[in-house]
Parts: sequence; C-alpha cells; structure tokens
Amino acid sequence: QAQLVESGGGVVQPGRSLRLSCADSGFTFSSYAMHWVRQAPGKGLEWVALTSFDGGQTYYADSVKGRFTISRDNSKNTLYLQMRSLKAEDTAVYYCARDQGLPTTAALDYWGPGTLVTVSS
Amino acid sequence: SSELTQDPAVSVALGQTVRITCRGDSLRSYYASWYQQKPGQAPILVLYDKNNRPSGIPDRFSGSISGNTASLTITGAQAEDEADYYCNSRDSSGYQRVFGGGTKLTVL
Repeated sequence: QAQLVESGGGVVQPGRSLRLSCADSGFTFSSYAMHWVRQAPGKGLEWVALTSFDGGQTYYADSVKGRFTISRDNSKNTLYLQMRSLKAEDTAVYYCARDQGLPTTAALDYWGPGTLVTVSS
Repeated sequence: SSELTQDPAVSVALGQTVRITCRGDSLRSYYASWYQQKPGQAPILVLYDKNNRPSGIPDRFSGSISGNTASLTITGAQAEDEADYYCNSRDSSGYQRVFGGGTKLTVL
C-alpha cells in the first residue's frame, strides 16, 4: 500500500521561501510521475506541479510558474516543492499525489494527508 | 489551459440516485477522474478512465461521458457519500492538469 507523507509546512512571511517534502513508501517511487496539488482554506483543489518519473520533465500551473520548483530524489524516495517569493494567495494545504500513469486520464491514485502553508506577516 | 465546470451543490434523498457533472473541452480528448473529499481529509480517487473504480470503492459509483461532459453517478446514495466531489483531467496540451471547482453533495 502506497504511503505519502508531506512535511515542511508552516507560517512564512510574504516574499520568503519554503521547501516542502513528501516521503513516499510502499511502491516503486522511481516508476511514477508525481504531483503537488493545493487547496486554499474553504476552496477547491488546484493542481500545482508535475514531475516525470525521472525528474526530466516538469510542468507548472501558471499561478506558480517561475516561483515554484518541483524536484525529486529517487534515491531517497522523496518529492520536493521549493516555493519562492511566496504570496498570501499561496496559503493552502499542499498535497503530494501519485500519478496513476494512464495516458488517457489525469488520475491521482494516492495522496498524502497534506501540509499547511500559511503566508502571513 | 482548459477549464472544468461543475455545479457548486447537489442534493439527493437517502437511497436515491444522483448525477454529478463535469464539463470541459479537454474531456473530448481525455477521460475525467473523480475524487471524493470529506472535511479535514485528503481527496480519494473514486473513478478513473472510462468507468473504473479503485479497489475498495463501492460499485454504486459509476461514470459516463457524453461529448464534453463527464458524469459521476451514485446509485442508491448513502449517508457516508455526503462529501465534496471533484473532477480532473489533462488540459489541451496533455501535460498540465486541471480540477473542476467541486460539487458539494448533500444526502438528505
């Protein structure tokens, strides 16, 4: 059974940086693309970023492009999200999720419990 | 990027059938996936691909597609089905992902 656990959330001032981690176990991490998805308080889900299985390809939502960087360390079974120039509107629970891998869908079949990032002065 | 549109709220009487819809141009090229989210919890995948359920998801959940509209149908809704439901798909590029705004399902 796949398990994903995020960490690194907290309170950060606007303009500062923060790095989130997602430790993964129970599956062959290096075989799967991985995502970050966020949810602002009381709002819906927003896709943030995607990395291919080997980290060679990355994609971002327009709202975070140029400020956030998704990466992975397959030797450590860990996914990362480096967030820079944080804004109040980046306040959200951040989830990491596994891509199911089917080319005809966007299914995310396992999710972590999430970590809360609050951007506030 | 593409958009997916969902009705904000839907209600259903206990034991009855309810359909939750998701509309978007990308659904002409890619299947929608559906997620259930209860308060304070992470989303759970309940349907994917044409009409497939992950292990452990009851068979009262089913999916369909017509043109640019995907539907999640719950046949015989239970109290525990009360939750927010989100659809997602790929955008027109095939790389970025997009979520619908979510539908709050109330079971009366």
